[in-house]
Formats: sequence, C-alpha cells, structure tokens
Amino acid sequence: NAGVMQNPRHLVRRRGQEARLRCSPMKGHSHVYWYRQLPEEGLKFMVYLQKENIIDESGMPKERFSAEFPKEGPSILRIQQVVRGDSAAYFCASSPRSGGAHEQYFGPGTRLTVT
Amino acid sequence: DAKTTQPTSMDCAEGRAANLPCNHSTISGNEYVYWYRQIHSQGPQYIIHGLKNNETNEMASLIITEDRKSSTLILPHATLRDTAVYYCIVSALNNAGNMLTFGGGTRLMVKP
Repeated sequence: NAGVMQNPRHLVRRRGQEARLRCSPMKGHSHVYWYRQLPEEGLKFMVYLQKENIIDESGMPKERFSAEFPKEGPSILRIQQVVRGDSAAYFCASSPRSGGAHEQYFGPGTRLTVT
Repeated sequence: DAKTTQPTSMDCAEGRAANLPCNHSTISGNEYVYWYRQIHSQGPQYIIHGLKNNETNEMASLIITEDRKSSTLILPHATLRDTAVYYCIVSALNNAGNMLTFGGGTRLMVKP
C-alpha cells in the first residue's frame, strides 16, 4: 500500500511565476491536509480538504494561495506570483476519516525555492 | 488547542532510554496528547497518543501525569536512527477534522 505521494519533490520558481504542488493521498483516504514549514520552524497548518470541498482554510494566506481536491486526481496547492518568502517545505497529510490526529499520514514534502 | 512547552534540544547515548518532557498546563479535558517526530526534514511520523492513561506501543511509551499538565515520551533503547525533532501536540477530537499545531519541538541527538 503506497504511502502519501507528493510531487515534485523539489521545485524552483522565479519570482512572479506560479507553483503547483501535488498530493496523492493514501488509498482509501478522502481527507487531505496541507502544511507549510519555513526554514528552522515547525509545521503550520494551511488547509483541510475533503473530496471536492474545502473544509477549513484558516491557515491559508488570503492572497495568491489556493487549494483543491477534485473528485478524481490529486490534491493541488497552487501559489500564484510566488515571492521569496514562499520558499519553504510544503507537506501534505491524508487520513481516512475526520477526527483522530493519529491517523494523519504525511508525505515526503515538496521543497519550493523561489529565486 | 492548548499550548505545549518542550526543551529545545536533548542528547542521549545510544542504547539508553531517551526521556522527552512536555508541559501542557492548559490542557482541556477533551484534549489528547500526541507525539510526532520529523527525521531530517522528512514528513512527520506519528509515534503515540493518549488521553489520561499511560500508553505503550512498539515505538515508545507515553507517561501522562495524573493532573495531565505534563507528559513524557520514552524511547526505551534509543538508536542513531531516532535522531529527530520530536513534537508534542495537544488537540481535541472533533468532527471538523483535526489539524495539527506544531510548536518548535525537541531536537534529540542520539550519540554513539
């Protein structure tokens, strides 16, 4: 049973470009969480999605960031017009149901570098 | 969610027990204590969780004080591969999902 997959693992973008980060949850998991980790800091929650629904986006910056989890395919975190401050590791986690933090399984992360 | 306080770093000799403390003095009655670790910038890995009773699994033991204001994660025989940042997280179960709030964690260095 494959774990949570994220791609790309490393992404380099110039300021002003768009970044698209993909997350494929574990088989049978319909809940996805995105977290951001700035250098030398802990992970910060960004958004929680279920299939075709955003449940909680309280951690998402108000501008330039969006997330989706379509009926088919991976969850996408999209960052428009990237700036240097967006450089970070972005982790997604999936779980089979709502509740139960112990059931969140994390992917390997995407390291975004903005030049 | 309640705030947690952990030492910034700790060392442990290989083969010895590693005892990682966590203070959560404002924990509510419905909040669980969770422990995760992050090895060398990989994705966080769940270790163990508990409400008020001590818990043990194949990875670790969790000791929660009777007043629930603090807890200790115990790795009984630390190996070099246990070198990681360990996060203590307090969170309630709810129907709207359960996003995790990570603090600074404790950087555990296991030395030969």
